[in-house]
Amino acid sequence: DAGVIQSPRHEVTEMGQEVTLRCKPISGHDYLFWYRQTMMRGLELLIYFNNNVPIDDSGMPEDRFSAKMPNASFSTLKIQPSEPRDSAVYFCATQLAGGLTDTQYFGPGTRLTVL
Amino acid sequence: GQQLNQSPQSMFIQEGEDVSMNCTSSSIFNTWLWYKQDPGEGPVLLIALYKAGELTSNGRLTAQFGITRKDSFLNISASIPSDVGIYFCAGQIGRNAGNMLTFGGGTRLMVKP
Repeated sequence: DAGVIQSPRHEVTEMGQEVTLRCKPISGHDYLFWYRQTMMRGLELLIYFNNNVPIDDSGMPEDRFSAKMPNASFSTLKIQPSEPRDSAVYFCATQLAGGLTDTQYFGPGTRLTVL
Repeated sequence: GQQLNQSPQSMFIQEGEDVSMNCTSSSIFNTWLWYKQDPGEGPVLLIALYKAGELTSNGRLTAQFGITRKDSFLNISASIPSDVGIYFCAGQIGRNAGNMLTFGGGTRLMVKP
């Protein structure tokens, strides 16, 4: 298995533009998590899905952020409009239901820079 | 909300030295995890702890789940250059899949050959 796949790996955009980050989970994994990592705040959970349904989005910073999981093979995290303070590394992680907690696998991340 | 205090924030050591880092919480966790993150990559799980007092090893790494369930430590013995990276602790209230993780701020380890 290729592991969790994220694209793009790097994104540079200008303030006000829409940004879409993509994640392909490990096949068969039931849970998908979106995290954000910054120097100031460390790793923060934004939202997670179970069987494509959003379970907890309390970590989503504000209405400019939205996440979808239209099917078991794909999820997106969208920022519209983007702001410089959104600059961070965004990770997607997936997990198999019925497994122990140690089965949360992280993707390589998308480094977002908003100018 | 819950917070994990991880220390030290960074360490610069000589190859061959032992390393110790720890994490403390204001709340109880029933699972403690230790991850390592290499530059440009996502965190990778090193050790998982599920019982208070548990001591678990993975090669040169040893981690313990504190008796109070509010702390954990990670030791690395005889460090080597490839140990360089950021180490994160993470706590989880439950044990089942889907429980959210709370991460510490990370310990940046640098090893001088």
